[in-house]
Amino acid sequence: GQSLEQPSEVTAVEGAIVQINCTYQTSGFYGLSWYQQHDGGAPTFLSYNGLDGLEETGRFSSFLSRSDSYGYLLLQELQMKDSASYFCALTGGGNKLTFGTGTQLKVEL
Amino acid sequence: DVKVTQSSRYLVKRTGEKVFLECVQDMDHENMFWYRQDPGLGLRLIYFSYDVKMKEKGDIPEGYSVSREKKERFSLILESASTNQTSMYLCASTTAYEQYFGPGTRLTVT
Repeated sequence: GQSLEQPSEVTAVEGAIVQINCTYQTSGFYGLSWYQQHDGGAPTFLSYNGLDGLEETGRFSSFLSRSDSYGYLLLQELQMKDSASYFCALTGGGNKLTFGTGTQLKVEL
Repeated sequence: DVKVTQSSRYLVKRTGEKVFLECVQDMDHENMFWYRQDPGLGLRLIYFSYDVKMKEKGDIPEGYSVSREKKERFSLILESASTNQTSMYLCASTTAYEQYFGPGTRLTVT
């Protein structure tokens, strides 16, 4: 099977940079995705890494290293609205996702 | 604007009832998914479908079944609801790596 590990909680101050790590175990996958979920809301897609390296989308960047079974989401210039849960997920056949247990990010003033 | 809708935001059912959760997407996506989300466990895949009348079990299919008679609609069925099926149920659809989620149905089984 597949499994993903993330820290359960991260706290940072507004304007700072925060990195959320994700380590995984799998026998095969197509890519690593990141989703954001605000309290009471639906998960929304943030980024996808099909290849090793860094993908940048505005204030958010995501990184994948297949050799290290590791990825991370980097959030820059943190804003209060970034307070949410963040999930990493492995993409398998049929675009099926296996999610990590999520990291709750708290942004403080 | 892409849209995935679910039939109810909140639902309360009794133990032993048959429960239907409906999901509709307007993006002509072939792949549709049902997840449940519980605190500390993340999202876990119950069933998914590649096409009309096609279905495959996910990681936790026990106690559930699905139906996909039309491309845009994917239904989750709890044959005989139990208290351990109290959860948030999320539907999603995709045609590539990005999944689009519905707003979720919070089901309580008493």
